[in-house]
Amino acid sequence: QVQLQESGPGLVKPSGTLSVTCAVSAGSISSSDWWSWVRQSPGKGLEWIGEIYHNESTNYNLSLKNRVTISVDKSKNQFSLKLSSVTAADTAVYYCARRNLPHWLETSYFDCWGRGTLVTVSS
Amino acid sequence: EIVLTQSPGTLSLSPGERATLSCRASQSISSSYLAWYQQKPGQAPRLLIYGTSSRATGIPDRFSGSGCGTDFTLTISRLEPEDFAVYYCQQCSSSPWTFGQGTKVEVK
Repeated sequence: QVQLQESGPGLVKPSGTLSVTCAVSAGSISSSDWWSWVRQSPGKGLEWIGEIYHNESTNYNLSLKNRVTISVDKSKNQFSLKLSSVTAADTAVYYCARRNLPHWLETSYFDCWGRGTLVTVSS
Repeated sequence: EIVLTQSPGTLSLSPGERATLSCRASQSISSSYLAWYQQKPGQAPRLLIYGTSSRATGIPDRFSGSGCGTDFTLTISRLEPEDFAVYYCQQCSSSPWTFGQGTKVEVK
């Protein structure tokens, strides 16, 4: 089963750039899946940030689009999130997740998740 | 953006009871792209149901999903102690993919 592991600084200063990386193991990032970032603010619900395909096609949530960049490194089997101009409102647990599109059925869902990494925006 | 509204916000039940959770979409969505997740404190969400009614691998049959159009339901037939958690519905019918705000199932 594919496993995902997030890594990155736990603390970012306001107006800075948040950077988190997700390492994919026991599977290939070049599969026919999309690789997503989802965040959860403390005590709040889940917000999809954006996703990337192995050919570097991206799909972003327009609410964050101007500040978000998602990239993929196939040689390292990992993908990354950069969120610029952060404020306290960006403090959250950041999850990476696989959005599966099975070839045998017209459907899609997030079936693999990392454990999440808490990023706090504070001076 | 499709807004998913879950109700109730909190459901207080006893083990062995039946839980019925609702998810209403702001516009019609394809039932192929409606999923449910369970989240426990300190853990990532876990996929329970996809395509409205298909159970994910390893999910017990006490979990079932139904619905179409704008109204979807997750039912837990008999609550086990490990089922007390927060449940989210989620759609991949139209980008941006969105989640409901969650329903907490707590011990009465």
